[in-house]
Amino acid sequence: EAQVTQNPRYLITVTGKKLTVTCSQNMNHEYMSWYRQDPGLGLRQIYYSMNVEVTDKGDVPEGYKVSRKEKRNFPLILESPSPNQTSLYFCASRKGEYYEQYFGPGTRLTVT
Amino acid sequence: ELKVEQNPLFLSMQEGKNYTIYCNYSTTSDRLYWYRQDPGKSLESLFVLLSNGAVKQEGRLMASLDTKARLSTLHITAAVHDLSATYFCAVDIGNSGYALNFGKGTSLLVTP
Repeated sequence: EAQVTQNPRYLITVTGKKLTVTCSQNMNHEYMSWYRQDPGLGLRQIYYSMNVEVTDKGDVPEGYKVSRKEKRNFPLILESPSPNQTSLYFCASRKGEYYEQYFGPGTRLTVT
Repeated sequence: ELKVEQNPLFLSMQEGKNYTIYCNYSTTSDRLYWYRQDPGKSLESLFVLLSNGAVKQEGRLMASLDTKARLSTLHITAAVHDLSATYFCAVDIGNSGYALNFGKGTSLLVTP
């Protein structure tokens, strides 16, 4: 089954404790992105990747890091999480322009 | 900067009624996407519109795209409760790794 997976699905952590949210897709897509969704603000892009070892900042990259060492994986790293990073996070992948974007199930992160 | 505006943001309608959700965007694009999101769930692709005049229909939903007016509509015919969800339009202008730029969503509630 074609899918984007994320782990963990739910995470409660404390300020400053480094964490990683994993994302994997099995569709051989080149393009991958991370979004955060907040009430009233919609979905905002954090980082994106156009291929292995090619990543760039989206609209709200502060406080986040990513890496793309393999085509299928695109982890999101929060080196020192803060409460304002409490949000619902989605990983997405896409074959290319003119194709729909597939979303993972989401990770609900709470930073206390 | 691309702006994607949806209206209305909130919509309560009775079963059996018709209504239209509007999506305006500020930069030329011929690639527009509609997604559905149920509470606590991920985003599900509904329609992919890739040219001026494109029209797609699935059940009680019909989407259209007018690239000259930079406008897409999502028309709901004879609404039923199962259509209650949040609907997002998203525009692709080829930037940021071909990630989609989302509107803030229209929260639809269909009541008996």
